[in-house]
Amino acid sequence: ETGVTQTPRHLVMGMTNKKSLKCEQHLGHNAMYWYKQSAKKPLELMFVYNFKEQTENNSVPSRFSPECPNSSHLFLHLHTLQPEDSALYLCASSQDPGTHTEAFFGQGTRLTVV
Amino acid sequence: KNEVEQSPQNLTAQEGEFITINCSYSVGISALHWLQQHPGGGIVSLFMLSSGKKKHGRLIATINIQEKHSSLHITASHPRDSAVYICAAYNFGNEKLTFGTGTRLTIIP
Repeated sequence: ETGVTQTPRHLVMGMTNKKSLKCEQHLGHNAMYWYKQSAKKPLELMFVYNFKEQTENNSVPSRFSPECPNSSHLFLHLHTLQPEDSALYLCASSQDPGTHTEAFFGQGTRLTVV
Repeated sequence: KNEVEQSPQNLTAQEGEFITINCSYSVGISALHWLQQHPGGGIVSLFMLSSGKKKHGRLIATINIQEKHSSLHITASHPRDSAVYICAAYNFGNEKLTFGTGTRLTIIP
C-alpha cells in the first residue's frame, strides 16, 4: 500500500463512452501525475499538477482531460477514446512538485477500449 | 533508439543470485530514478540519485555521470524481488522525465 489509491482498477469502455479515472492521496503531497503504460513501450508522463495547477501536458490528445479539484484528488476524464488508448494508467504523487522525488504510485487502472 | 536504454530486457535467476540491471542514457540529466513495478501495475520509487551510490537494504544503485550509466544491484535475490525495474532520467531544467522500457526480473525459488 503506497498511500495513492486509484479507482477503478479495471475499466472496459466503448469508443463512444465517457468515463473518469480517479486518484486520491492523503500523503500531504503537493504534486500529482498521470502516466500511461502501453505494452512494450516506455512509461509515458501525461500530465503534471503542482499545487492544483497543471504545469505539464506532454502532447496528450484532448480526448484525455485531467482535473485536479484539490491537492488530494486527481481525475482523468475520458471521452471518444480509441482502441490504441488501451493501457495501464498510473497516478503518482510526490512532495516536491519540481523534481519527482520519492514518487508514490497507485496500483493503476487497466483500461480496455473496445 | 530510446534515449534511455536498459539491459537486459528480461532476466531470470535463481534465488540467492546477485542481480545487476543496467541503464544507459543519452539525455542530459539532473537525476536518475529507479522504479519497481509489481505485477498488477503498482510502481514504487526505489532510488533517485545524481552521483555516486545509494543503498537500501539489499538494493544498491550506482551512477556514473561521465559515462551516462547507472546500475541497480540486488544482493541475495528473493522471489519477491520479481518485478519490472524501470530507470528514468530526470532533467531539472526542462522538468522532463524520460523512461526506459524496463527490465523484467524473475527470481526462481
